[in-house]
Order: sequence, then structure tokens, then C-alpha cells
Amino acid sequence: ETGVTQSPTHLIKTRGQQVTLRCSSQSGHNTVSWYQQALGQGPQFIFQYYREEENGRGNFPPRFSGLQFPNYSSELNVNALELDDSALYLCASSPDRGREQYFGPGTRLTVT
Amino acid sequence: AQSVTQLGSHVSVSEGALVLLRCNYSSSVPPYLFWYVQYPNQGLQLLLKYTSAATLVKGINGFEAEFKKSETSFHLTKPSAHMSDAAEYFCAVTSSGGYQKVTFGTGTKLQVIP
Repeated sequence: ETGVTQSPTHLIKTRGQQVTLRCSSQSGHNTVSWYQQALGQGPQFIFQYYREEENGRGNFPPRFSGLQFPNYSSELNVNALELDDSALYLCASSPDRGREQYFGPGTRLTVT
Repeated sequence: AQSVTQLGSHVSVSEGALVLLRCNYSSSVPPYLFWYVQYPNQGLQLLLKYTSAATLVKGINGFEAEFKKSETSFHLTKPSAHMSDAAEYFCAVTSSGGYQKVTFGTGTKLQVIP
């Protein structure tokens, strides 16, 4: 059974640029949630996708957007990057919007 | 609304000593509670979960937690700390609503002193 995978591992972008982060959910999981973890903080919920539809959103601006594909993999897109977007971005998957979520290793984004 | 508060951003214990990491929650509905562990430069690993069954929950690596409704607490314990327990620990709560947003605490870094 393959766990949650994320790519890339690390990324460096310049302020104002756009970035796409990718996540492959665990086999059999149709729900993907994205979290932002700033240095020294707990993860903050960005949004959740269930069967290709957004199923809930945290307090993040519209420049944070996402997609979920028919194979339940997902993308997180961030436009007009700001310095404060520098963080570890975590993806978690679960079956049928289940409460127990399985996390990937994260993508470390640095905005300069 | 839901939230968790973790008391103590840093905790140091001697190897072999009791580990106690504190978590208090706030939830308008019966909560589901979790403890996750994060090793440096890694994602989060589920240690244990409370889902309204037994109030004493046993997890991996010898950790356990007790749900106390009267105290709104879900403290994490381990009888004897091991060097490999050094990591950051997060308490989390989920809603019983239509989507399973997980709200995390700010984390507690555990240092184990040889």
C-alpha cells in the first residue's frame, strides 16, 4: 500500500510568482486536505477536496486554489506569492471525508 | 468552533522519566481528538485517536492519552521516555460537521536528556 506522496520536496520561488504543489493520495482514499505549516507553528487548514469538489475551506485568500483529479490526486496552486507564504505545505488523505487523515512528507516552499 | 491549547511549547525530560504533554480542547459538539508526532523535516504521523469509545486510548510507541470531558483535556503520556521520542507533538481536534477540518494546537517540542 503506497502512502501519501508529495512533490516537489523543496521549492524556491520569487515574490509575485505562481506555484503548483502536487499530492498523490493513499490508495483507496477519495478525500484530500491541504495544510500550511509556518515555521514553529501548527498546521493550518487550507481546504479539503472530496470526489473532485471543494468540501470546505479555511481562512485563506482566493489566491490559494486547488484541484482534485479523477484518480483523487490533488494540486494546490498559489498565485502572487508573498514572503509569508514560505512554509511547509502538507497534504493529507482519508477515505470518505474520514476524520483520520494520513499525511504526506510535505513540500517546503521558500519565497524570496 | 473548535480549538486546542497545548500547554508548554518545550518540554524536557530525562531518558526513562515520565512524559506528560498537555492538551485542552474546546468544541461545541462531541470532539474527535488526535495526537500526531512530527520528526524534523518530516510530515505528521498519527500516534493515537479518541473517537468517543474508550476514554483511555493506547497508541503507537508506548504512548497513551486519556479523554476527560469534565476537564476538557486529552493529555499524552508515556511511562518511560526514550531518546527516539524527541520530536514535536501536536494535539488536534476535528468537527463532526460535513467536512473533517482538523484544527491543530501550536505543538510541544519534546527534548529527551540522556
